[in-house]
Amino acid sequence: GENVEQHPSTLSVQEGDSAVIKCTYSDSASNYFPWYKQELGKRPQLIIDIRSNVGEKKDQRIAVTLNKTAKHFSLHITETQPEDSAVYFCAASKGSNYQLIWGAGTKLIIKP
Amino acid sequence: EAGVAQSPRYKIIEKRQSVAFWCNPISGHATLYWYQQILGQGPKLLIQFQNNGVVDDSQLPKDRFSAERLKGVDSTLKIQPAKLEDSAVYLCASSLGEGGGSTDTQYFGPGTRLTVL
Repeated sequence: GENVEQHPSTLSVQEGDSAVIKCTYSDSASNYFPWYKQELGKRPQLIIDIRSNVGEKKDQRIAVTLNKTAKHFSLHITETQPEDSAVYFCAASKGSNYQLIWGAGTKLIIKP
Repeated sequence: EAGVAQSPRYKIIEKRQSVAFWCNPISGHATLYWYQQILGQGPKLLIQFQNNGVVDDSQLPKDRFSAERLKGVDSTLKIQPAKLEDSAVYLCASSLGEGGGSTDTQYFGPGTRLTVL
């Protein structure tokens, strides 16, 4: 079945620097790749997603890139701020009749 | 637009007791999901409904867990009897779920934190 691997498990960056989190997936039929942010004790919230018909998507300081050939996608956060500290999850899906397969999460720590 | 509602927010029970969680999805969302999230891990799908039908319950421990969505709106998840390892946050999510191969955003409720003693 589908498997999503996420790296690193913990990422510590200086405030103002960029952070990159990478995920790889195994099922070439996957066509939807969301990223969720989960702050401590709170619900996961979608921050950005990408579909397989595009290679990159940006939303202010956040961007996601997708390489279908290599079957990996990445989250890029620029000009990191203290409020970016959270656990970030990537996921992959083949469609709404299929479940989202989640990565194990990356704890992002922004150092002041 | 109101979000996904869940209750209760917290529940403490002893092992072998029963517990039930309730979820009200966003109005108009056909697809509803129940996830279990153990501390330090990602969400694990327990069951997915589209309207009142089950799409995927392959990871639901059916000997103790049950879920229903009788009228295709609200849903309840029950554990009977509970075990220590069931301590987790139970998240409900919903999406438009129009099917046809498209995938849409899942919106999560605040979760129910279950502690089994």
